[in-house]
Amino acid sequence: DAGITQSPRHKVTETGTPVTLRCHQTENHRYMYWYRQDPGHGLRLIHYSYGVKDTDKGEVSDGYSVSRSKTEDFLLTLESATSSQTSVYFCAIGNMKGTSDREQYFGPGTRLTVT
Amino acid sequence: QQQVKQSPQSLIVQKGGISIINCAYENTAFDYFPWYQQFPGKGPALLIAIRPDVSEKKEGRFTISFNKSAKQFSLHIMDSQPGDSATYFCAASMGHNDMRFGAGTRLTVKP
Repeated sequence: DAGITQSPRHKVTETGTPVTLRCHQTENHRYMYWYRQDPGHGLRLIHYSYGVKDTDKGEVSDGYSVSRSKTEDFLLTLESATSSQTSVYFCAIGNMKGTSDREQYFGPGTRLTVT
Repeated sequence: QQQVKQSPQSLIVQKGGISIINCAYENTAFDYFPWYQQFPGKGPALLIAIRPDVSEKKEGRFTISFNKSAKQFSLHIMDSQPGDSATYFCAASMGHNDMRFGAGTRLTVKP
């Protein structure tokens, strides 16, 4: 999984509670991404980061926030978890050398269940 | 509205056969088209990718065919093996921050 770890790997939480997922990379890649994977939807981008403290929204950002205080760590926070946020969450990294390299490498995922 | 449409949803192929998965896109600004392979309980892994300036790219048993005018691209797996059984995702990107994925195809290769 390209030097990417995610924690926790599994979590069950109750509706309305805050949840933070962590992504840690050892590749020193500039770009980091959070996706969610749901049946019938493939993967959808939640937020991404293009550097320390530089983040922006993706396709499905409502209800999520992110932070990146160090190159190696990218945190995803659900401020108040809802059942619709039950999903598998993947972190990805990319180095994007120039305009010809868009490869993204994915972590092992975090399965989140909101009851 | 899904910007990348993938078919079929599931596919069963005999060992040694050819697996073909198709994707179609709408936005002509997409300029990078990767395929990912995902095994149960694992993250997607980049398999092969193509740019629209070429019509075909081959890596081992895996080939991408790209038809720019039809806005379609496909993955061909030659000599399919049981170890190829996985879910495959196509994707399209127009920038560093905008990768759109298809819904996935579950491939089963029967021995």
